[in-house]
Amino acid sequence: QKEVEQNSGPLSVPEGAIASLNCTYSDRGSQSFFWYRQYSGKSPELIMSIYSNGDKEDGRFTAQLNKASQYVSLLIRDSQPSDSATYLCAVIAGKTSYDKVIFGPGTSLSVIP
Amino acid sequence: DVKVTQSSRYLVKRTGEKVFLECVQDMDHENMFWYRQDPGLGLRLIYFSYDVKMKEKGDIPEGYSVSREKKERFSLILESASTNQTSMYLCASSLLGRSGSSYNEQFFGPGTRLTVL
Repeated sequence: QKEVEQNSGPLSVPEGAIASLNCTYSDRGSQSFFWYRQYSGKSPELIMSIYSNGDKEDGRFTAQLNKASQYVSLLIRDSQPSDSATYLCAVIAGKTSYDKVIFGPGTSLSVIP
Repeated sequence: DVKVTQSSRYLVKRTGEKVFLECVQDMDHENMFWYRQDPGLGLRLIYFSYDVKMKEKGDIPEGYSVSREKKERFSLILESASTNQTSMYLCASSLLGRSGSSYNEQFFGPGTRLTVL
């Protein structure tokens, strides 16, 4: 069973702090990794994708991938109340274009003003 | 920007009715997906399609069917709605490309919250 796991939270951080969200996956052959943000009552929105080991930065967001340890993380610097949402980790657990995306259960983040 | 639209934001139907949920994308994506999302269960894949008239079962296809007659449109059909199909339904689309590329990034529509009474 291919799985993607995340801490469900809620994770609470003060405004201006760094929020760290973690995700582990079970399939070593996974090639594509995504972070989605989902506000309450809204649909998921892609915020980061990462495909190779290391860090990828986009504004206040940094995605980190370690394939050897099978984890991917998302750091949010200078957290804002508007970052309060559920963050979904998603993994394509395979090497073909037809492999399905597997979503984790999501981590709820609350940024306290 | 990629735009994925869904026919309704909110829908209320009665048990036994046939329900059609429609999804349209405007970016010429090959892949289209239907998910449902329930509290505590996360996103679950119902069906997906990687080409016109092609469809593949996801993790929970029972009680659902799909239709893809045109590349931009993917319909989800509940043949006989039941109360356990009350849920948020999300459509998504992506390009078809090799794994490990941005082609597989999925873009979601706004969702349809279906209530079956």
